[in-house]
Amino acid sequence: RKEVEQDPGPFNVPEGATVAFNCTYSNSASQSFFWYRQDCRKEPKLLMSVYSSGNEDGRFTAQLNRASQYISLLIRDSKLSDSATYLCVVILNSGYSTLTFGKGTMLLVSP
Amino acid sequence: GAGVSQSPSNKVTEKGKDVELRCDPISGHTALYWYRQRLGQGLEFLIYFQGNSAPDKSGLPSDRFSAERTGESVSTLTIQRTQQEDSAVYLCASSNPGLLYTGELFFGEGSRLTVL
Repeated sequence: RKEVEQDPGPFNVPEGATVAFNCTYSNSASQSFFWYRQDCRKEPKLLMSVYSSGNEDGRFTAQLNRASQYISLLIRDSKLSDSATYLCVVILNSGYSTLTFGKGTMLLVSP
Repeated sequence: GAGVSQSPSNKVTEKGKDVELRCDPISGHTALYWYRQRLGQGLEFLIYFQGNSAPDKSGLPSDRFSAERTGESVSTLTIQRTQQEDSAVYLCASSNPGLLYTGELFFGEGSRLTVL
């Protein structure tokens, strides 16, 4: 089983739609969880952290389910500018912070 | 500048040649990571530096790959006897000690390597 798994997509949605991505992780000792965004031919950038209680940042909502070992990202009212690849990141603190990136889920928002 | 700087931004080389890729992290960032991203693929971890030491080299794909960091600053990734499968974007990232909590790696724009 891969350490961090994501559906590669692409997810094709119209503007204004709500879309959700899931990400599963295999190591139950994983401590911190994040979503990154990577635009085409650009470097990844941090989108948001994922907290156990769930958290929102504008149109974006992140959730963590430790029992089932998955995290999710919900995007409401999709914009054209949301088109990107969304990377799930899991951190395991094994004396230092080991980051594992998922391969990403591609989102394409169309007019 | 304030961000992570990588050079060269693009490198085209012939199979069998050696290449050096350079990363200047954000000043004061003690942790430095190298990743590789092949076209259409995810990020592949190569090596991690804490200061000038590399406690995790587990991602280096072969002994043709090596990396060093000096002065707790600049890092160089060297690929010897390049092969076509080495073609990829090599991304460097740095972070401060609060990474476990902030999750924020600051990436450079990458060095795009093409091996002919």
